[in-house]
Amino acid sequence: GEDVEQSLFLSVREGDSSVINCTYTDSSSTYLYWYKQEPGAGLQLLTYIFSNMDMKQDQRLTVLLNKKDKHLSLRIADTQTGDSAIYFCAESMRTGRRALTFGSGTRLQVQP
Amino acid sequence: DSGVTQTPKHLITATGQRVTLRCSPRSGDLSVYWYQQSLDQGLQFLIQYYNGEERAKGNILERFSAQQFPDLHSELNLSSLELGDSALYFCASSAYGTVLTDTQYFGPGTRLTVL
Repeated sequence: GEDVEQSLFLSVREGDSSVINCTYTDSSSTYLYWYKQEPGAGLQLLTYIFSNMDMKQDQRLTVLLNKKDKHLSLRIADTQTGDSAIYFCAESMRTGRRALTFGSGTRLQVQP
Repeated sequence: DSGVTQTPKHLITATGQRVTLRCSPRSGDLSVYWYQQSLDQGLQFLIQYYNGEERAKGNILERFSAQQFPDLHSELNLSSLELGDSALYFCASSAYGTVLTDTQYFGPGTRLTVL
């Protein structure tokens, strides 16, 4: 079945690195996504990784995928106050529907 | 700006009423998805349309229905509203909705409050 889990809250200081973790259960997942939601706003696609990759880097963002443990992480380097938001991990299936299954979201608080 | 538009931004209505939420996908995208975000259920997939046809259904109640029109915009109809239907409703679009590399882009959402 489909289940995506995330920790609920993370607090870091400005300039530090943030690591947001996610676990998924469906072994047929294909793409895994990270979305960002700021207060009162929609979901902004940050990055995604295909399930046959181990790592993807995009500017300050690094995604690591451990397929054996079904663990996905998002590292934000040099975290800024503007990075304060809720971060959602999501997966889409290898077969069948392309709809996303989301985790519960991790609220990132960046302290100045 | 994702290029996906949703109207209205906010909607306040009473129990038992019916409302229609509208979504315009990004230019050229054929697929539209509807999601509901609530405090207790999180983000849940409701329904997907591809080029006018229903393609997949998620946790959509029988009181809810949707359609996609020839110009590819979509409407989500919610009827016999209950307090528990209060939520943020998102529309997302993707180029196809049928291929592995498809990526979904989300609109700003419609916040529905049922009193």
